[in-house]
Amino acid sequence: SYVLTQPPSVSVAPGETARITCGGQNVDRKNVHWYQQKPGQAPALVMRFDDDRPSGIPDRLSGSNSGNTATLAISRAEAGDEADYYCQVRDDNNDHWVFGGGTKLTVL
Amino acid sequence: EVKLVESGGGLVQPGGSLRLSCGGSGFNFSTYWMSWVRQAPGKGLEWVANIKRDESEKYYVDSVEGRFTISRDNAKNSLYLQMSGLRAEDTAVYYCTTSGNDFWGPYISWGQGTLVTVSS
Repeated sequence: SYVLTQPPSVSVAPGETARITCGGQNVDRKNVHWYQQKPGQAPALVMRFDDDRPSGIPDRLSGSNSGNTATLAISRAEAGDEADYYCQVRDDNNDHWVFGGGTKLTVL
Repeated sequence: EVKLVESGGGLVQPGGSLRLSCGGSGFNFSTYWMSWVRQAPGKGLEWVANIKRDESEKYYVDSVEGRFTISRDNAKNSLYLQMSGLRAEDTAVYYCTTSGNDFWGPYISWGQGTLVTVSS
């Protein structure tokens, strides 16, 4: 089965750029979606189809996907960005959805 | 606005059964693809099951295949997850979610979740 690998944690200083990676074999051949989950809340979609921001998501967030790594970048990081972030792809071999293990973003 | 509300969670003994429900409003439920995703305490997200709008296709994660059944009643704008043979590792918050009109699209809306605890 397909596996997505995320770093457990990423730290960033306020105002700097955080990059959260999502690794998978030839992940660039797949559509990657990203979700943000704040404590006690349900997840929310923040990036779809690699680099498309849903309505209401600030342009400080951007996505990319190349080779074996997809990346969610958050520029001008602020305290409100602190959350867990999950990447997601479809496993074409068995029509299953796969999530990465999640990355906790801390804004120091 | 798409709204999803889960219910039916609770404490159940190992080997027991439970049925979760999810009510949808603010959208044409019968045209949307629906899913269940769960999250064990302190852990990450795990996709559980998908169902097409006419129930013609259903998909399950391997760990629940044969024990869980996803279904829907479009007339009642409701999604269900019948769970049997429950195990301690099924303990999680179960979220109802939808990818809208795109079966393999991203999850555009989530409910607040319902907690299932499997314990003796």
